[in-house]
Amino acid sequence: EAGVAQSPRYKIIEKRQSVAFWCNPISGHATLYWYQQILGQGPKLLIQFQNNGVVDDSQLPKDRFSAERLKGVDSTLKIQPAKLEDSAVYLCASSLDPLGLIYGYTFGSGTRLTVV
Amino acid sequence: EDQVTQSPEALRLQEGESSSLNCSYTVSGLRGLFWYRQDPGKGPEFLFTLYSAGEEKEKERLKATLTKKESFLHITAPKPEDSATYLCAVQDGSSNTGKLIFGQGTTLQVKP
Repeated sequence: EAGVAQSPRYKIIEKRQSVAFWCNPISGHATLYWYQQILGQGPKLLIQFQNNGVVDDSQLPKDRFSAERLKGVDSTLKIQPAKLEDSAVYLCASSLDPLGLIYGYTFGSGTRLTVV
Repeated sequence: EDQVTQSPEALRLQEGESSSLNCSYTVSGLRGLFWYRQDPGKGPEFLFTLYSAGEEKEKERLKATLTKKESFLHITAPKPEDSATYLCAVQDGSSNTGKLIFGQGTTLQVKP
C-alpha cells in the first residue's frame, strides 16, 4: 500500500513570509494529523481531522497557522507569517481507526522548514 | 498535565550487547502507550501499543513491557540495523481524540 505523501521535502523561507505544506494520506484513512517536530524533540500535535472535520486544534497557533482538509482526503497546513521558532519538521500522519490504537499512525517523511 | 520522559537520551551499544530503554509517563488515565522507531530523515514508524500494566509485546529483537509508571523497550542482541531513535508516546483516556504525547526519544547506535 502506498504511504503518506508529503511535499515539499524541504523549504527555506525568510521570517514573515508564508508557506504551505501538502499531505495525501493513505487511501481509506479517515483520520489525519499534523505534528510539529523541533530538532531533538518528540513530535507535538498541531491538529487532528476526522474526515474533513476538526477534532482537536487546541495546540495550533491560530494567529499564524491554518489547516484544511478538502473533501476528507488531502490536507494543507499553512503558516503566515512565519517566525524563526517555526523551524521544524512538519509531519503528516493518518490512521485507519480514529484513535490510532490498533495499527498506530502511519507517518509521512515530513517537510523540513527552515526560517531565516 | 500529561508528560513523557525518556532515558537515556543517547545509547551506544556493540552488536550483540543487550540493553533497555526507559519511558516514564504521567497521564490522567492511560488509554495506550506507544513505541515508535524513527530513522534519520523519515517519519516515525509504529512498533507497539501497550494498554495495561503487566502487558508485554515482542517484535523480532524488541520487547516492550509496561508498568503503571514506566515502559521499557528491551533490545536483545542488537544489530547495526537497529540503530535509530526510539520514541515513546501516551494517549490520555480522558480525551476523545487520538492525540499522542511524545517523549524526546532515545537515539540508539549499534556498532558492528
